[in-house]
Amino acid sequence: AQKVTQAQTEISVVEKEDVTLDCVYETRDTTYYLFWYKQPPSGELVFLIRRNSFDEQNEISGRYSWNFQKSTSSFNFTITASQVVDSAVYFCALSEGWNNDMRFGAGTRLTVKP
Amino acid sequence: SAVISQKPSRDICQRGTSLTIQCQVDSQVTMMFWYRQQPGQSLTLIATANQGSEATYESGFVIDKFPISRPNLTFSTLTVSNMSPEDSSIYLCSVTAGAEETQYFGPGTRLLVL
Repeated sequence: AQKVTQAQTEISVVEKEDVTLDCVYETRDTTYYLFWYKQPPSGELVFLIRRNSFDEQNEISGRYSWNFQKSTSSFNFTITASQVVDSAVYFCALSEGWNNDMRFGAGTRLTVKP
Repeated sequence: SAVISQKPSRDICQRGTSLTIQCQVDSQVTMMFWYRQQPGQSLTLIATANQGSEATYESGFVIDKFPISRPNLTFSTLTVSNMSPEDSSIYLCSVTAGAEETQYFGPGTRLLVL
């Protein structure tokens, strides 16, 4: 069975600090997909990234970067120079194979203080 | 990407009644998913709805409580039947779309059962 663990329940940083959100997953499939979503206080889920299991290249998008390491089953998310608008709950999720149904981690609530 | 709308956006219902939530997508999609997000919690998959077949329910969710319709490739409904206060949640519709089959979420329906 697939499982996603986000051990950090809440993180609080001061603006301009870098912050890393951890995600550890479990799956028996060799083909799977990992996701990060942002849920701001307004409640909508904003897609951030999708990574398949065959692509271990790290990705950078502006202030966001992701570190995918199959050896440790981790898919961590780093925000560089955090801003108040980054305050949200961030979810890591996993889907296996073709089915596309996703299992979400518990989420990490990030608060960025001015 | 896909643009997803849900109706109603929020509702307050009495115990014992039922509410039907609609999900409309701006493009034809094969797979649609319904999730529940209880207050302060992560997302939990209720069921997968494919057009032309019965929905597939996850453990802990049953058709009598959460009947789903999927009459065509752009529309689905989820009914929350015989509601109790424990059903107070955000209900989200999701679809897989795009060349990379990313999963996109609707804005959610906020349900409060008194």
